[in-house]
Amino acid sequence: AQSVTQLDSQVPVFEEAPVELRCNYSSSVSVYLFWYVQYPNQGLQLLLKYLSGSTLVKGINGFEAEFNKSQTSFHLRKPSVHISDTAEYFCAVRNQAGTALIFGKGTTLSVSS
Amino acid sequence: DTGVSQDPRHKITKRGQNVTFRCDPISEHNRLYWYRQTLGQGPEFLTYFQNEAQLEKSRLLSDRFSAERPKGSFSTLEIQRTEQGDSAMYLCASGDRRQYFGPGTRLTVT
Repeated sequence: AQSVTQLDSQVPVFEEAPVELRCNYSSSVSVYLFWYVQYPNQGLQLLLKYLSGSTLVKGINGFEAEFNKSQTSFHLRKPSVHISDTAEYFCAVRNQAGTALIFGKGTTLSVSS
Repeated sequence: DTGVSQDPRHKITKRGQNVTFRCDPISEHNRLYWYRQTLGQGPEFLTYFQNEAQLEKSRLLSDRFSAERPKGSFSTLEIQRTEQGDSAMYLCASGDRRQYFGPGTRLTVT
């Protein structure tokens, strides 16, 4: 069965510092991977997705992620964070049937000045 | 593209009551999904529609839960005889290779 593990439940960083949010997945088939952001009391907004092609994926708000098949990872990075990046971040993999997303438990990114 | 909308945004109900939520997907999307998100957790898949056909249901969807999508447009999710454990955010999404999420309906069962 497919699964997603987000290795850090909370990541505190200072403004303008770089950040990496870690995600590992397990899947026996081709993977479609996603990162979503959720601001308080809101739905999920797609940051970026990997479907195929280049392993380095660029998304919105300056985020990028790298698909690493050998390490089964899809870590999210941003070179310089802002206060407004404070939110919950979810990594997800599409299930084998292609009918649903399987989410990790989320990482809370807290950016302070 | 007006996005996915959900109604109501918040619902407080007493244990044992029935509740119904509505989701309006992006109009051209054939696929519609329901998820449940409890505090501190990621969303968990409940069910999936292709047009009006409900093609997949999670084991999380007990017999107290029913979802419909008449005419392949909007969808409703009904919970009968609510329990405190049903308290959660219920998220609707639509789309194919990418899922667009609505703002969610937060259910509180007292």
